[in-house]
Amino acid sequence: QSVLTQPPSVSAAPGQKVTISCSGSSSNIGNNFVSWYQQLPGTAPKLLIYDNTKRPSGIPDRFSGSKSGTSATLGITGLQTDDEADYYCATWDTTLRAHWVFGGGTKLTVL
Amino acid sequence: EVQMVESGGALVQPGGSLRLSCAVSGFSFSTYALLWVRQAPGKGLEHVSGLGPNADTTYYADSVQGRFTISRDNSKSTLYLQMGSLRTEDTAIYYCATMVSVPNALDIWGQGTKVTVSS
Repeated sequence: QSVLTQPPSVSAAPGQKVTISCSGSSSNIGNNFVSWYQQLPGTAPKLLIYDNTKRPSGIPDRFSGSKSGTSATLGITGLQTDDEADYYCATWDTTLRAHWVFGGGTKLTVL
Repeated sequence: EVQMVESGGALVQPGGSLRLSCAVSGFSFSTYALLWVRQAPGKGLEHVSGLGPNADTTYYADSVQGRFTISRDNSKSTLYLQMGSLRTEDTAIYYCATMVSVPNALDIWGQGTKVTVSS
């Protein structure tokens, strides 16, 4: 059972937009920055979004992030078949001992 | 080039031990906190252990507390995870990761090393 809650799967057609939600609590999302990762099959996670809304160098602006209260959202516009992957949200959790927590992951299918 | 390369994964019997290594290059190893994240087959990511830049702060998930030990050798730019009393549920790909170029996010990951605990 992951600390952060994500939908198991989402799907959309090429060119369309999709959003992936991530729900937490005041001990994690509510008081810390959220990051998002893309994991293609058989590869390591790759950072897409940090500090809730910022994109690292090289990440296209089709990817966006937002946060409100204890929830965060990843948005992907202009879907491409290459976007088909698992997406994870993550943040710092300060319950008892500070550590990273992740969502359970969302499988994006580009139909 | 900034790089983290894990090694040491293997097939091991329940109750056995294993040491994973993570060799780092391309950034000042001694400056950054480092962590191990694992992913069981078909499952999500779990922060297993972490170590501060001076090895003064550590974190262990409850699932590995008392069985795993994290350490670092700054002279070799290498992070280690000594795993003992291994259980079948420790079967996973183990990634090392860190924050280098951006705050509050893990921007550098290794490619992972596979640990299989099975008789």
